[in-house]
Amino acid sequence: AQKITQTQPGMFVQEKEAVTLDCTYDTSDQSYGLFWYKQPSSGEMIFLIYQGSYDEQNATEGRYSLNFQKARKSANLVISASQLGDSAMYFCALTGRRALTFGSGTRLQVQP
Amino acid sequence: GAVVSQHPSWVICKSGTSVKIECRSLDFQATTMFWYRQFPKQSLMLMATSNEGSKATYEQGVEKDKFLINHASLTLSTLTVTSAHPEDSSFYICSARDKVSAGGLAYEQYFGPGTRLTVT
Repeated sequence: AQKITQTQPGMFVQEKEAVTLDCTYDTSDQSYGLFWYKQPSSGEMIFLIYQGSYDEQNATEGRYSLNFQKARKSANLVISASQLGDSAMYFCALTGRRALTFGSGTRLQVQP
Repeated sequence: GAVVSQHPSWVICKSGTSVKIECRSLDFQATTMFWYRQFPKQSLMLMATSNEGSKATYEQGVEKDKFLINHASLTLSTLTVTSAHPEDSSFYICSARDKVSAGGLAYEQYFGPGTRLTVT
């Protein structure tokens, strides 16, 4: 069975500051992938970043980076230089050979 | 990038009626599509996996006779909510898988914009 845990229901951050959104996971698969998605109020799921379980380096995509600690089974998302447009729900997701399993999400609010 | 569309984007129907939601991959072929449901302020929950040309695989607790899924072509999957009731009101999102990595992982899924269903 797969499980994703996001322990922060809501987070506040000041504009231009960095913020870390936590995600821990549990899976019995040897090979798996971790995703982060952003969901604004419109509802669309926006892909942010992907980390494969065998990737040796942490993934980065522009202002997004994934702090992957395999031994701790954590895959935290770091957003640098927060912008007002970053305010949204953020979901961590885990995949093996089938569909994604999503965490409960973190609502991020960026304050001016 | 790969684009997935959903139609309609929102729908209001009366209790007891059926409603069909379409999910299309516009510029790639999707042998597998997934249907998720998201209640307000909750996460996405997988309802079923739709494979082209075969029966859908439903998650535990999802009534296959109520949520009919058809994946008749490599670019189209439909979800029909039959005899809808107010408790079926939700946000329904589909995703399509384009490619699988050499290790057999679902590398990336492309999400549709979602369909908001309200049953009165």
